[in-house]
Amino acid sequence: GENVEQHPSTLSVQEGDSAVIKCTYSDSASNYFPWYKQELGKRPQLIIDIRSNVGEKKDQRIAVTLNKTAKHFSLHITETQPEDSAVYFCAASNPSNYQLIWGAGTKLIIKP
Amino acid sequence: EAQVTQNPRYLITVTGKKLTVTCSQNMNHEYMSWYRQDPGLGLRQIYYSMNVEVTDKGDVPEGYKVSRKEKRNFPLILESPSPNQTSLYFCASSLGQGVDTQYFGPGTRLTVL
Repeated sequence: GENVEQHPSTLSVQEGDSAVIKCTYSDSASNYFPWYKQELGKRPQLIIDIRSNVGEKKDQRIAVTLNKTAKHFSLHITETQPEDSAVYFCAASNPSNYQLIWGAGTKLIIKP
Repeated sequence: EAQVTQNPRYLITVTGKKLTVTCSQNMNHEYMSWYRQDPGLGLRQIYYSMNVEVTDKGDVPEGYKVSRKEKRNFPLILESPSPNQTSLYFCASSLGQGVDTQYFGPGTRLTVL
């Protein structure tokens, strides 16, 4: 079945620098890859997603890239700000039942 | 306001005492799902429902039951809770399938003593 690995588990960056979180998936038939942000004590919320027919998608300071050959996708956050501090989850669609398989999460810490 | 609500938000109970966590959405979504969140394990799906009277097991269904009698409600039932079910639980809904944008409830923190 589908498996999603997410790295790193914790990422600490200086405010203003860029942050990159990477996920790998196992099933080449997966075709939907969302990223969710969970602030402390809050619910997860979708911040960006990508489907397998595109290689990159941007929304202001965040972008997601997808490499189908290598079966990995990454979240890029540029010009990080204190409000970017949160746990970020990646997920990949499970082709057998159209459910999401989630990564374990990355705690992003923005240092002032 | 479009939203997913859960109740209770916090619950401390004892082993074996049946409990129900309610979930309701007002967005007319077909799909609803329950997850548990544990440190280092991310979000693990317990059960999901594609429509009224249609439910399926997720990755960790043991010890849980669900029902979907109405489109808006998707309660999670623990018939005989055990300490290993201590966790943070999230309900979510989406317009179509699990691969659409999921809207999460505020979470229910459950402690089983």
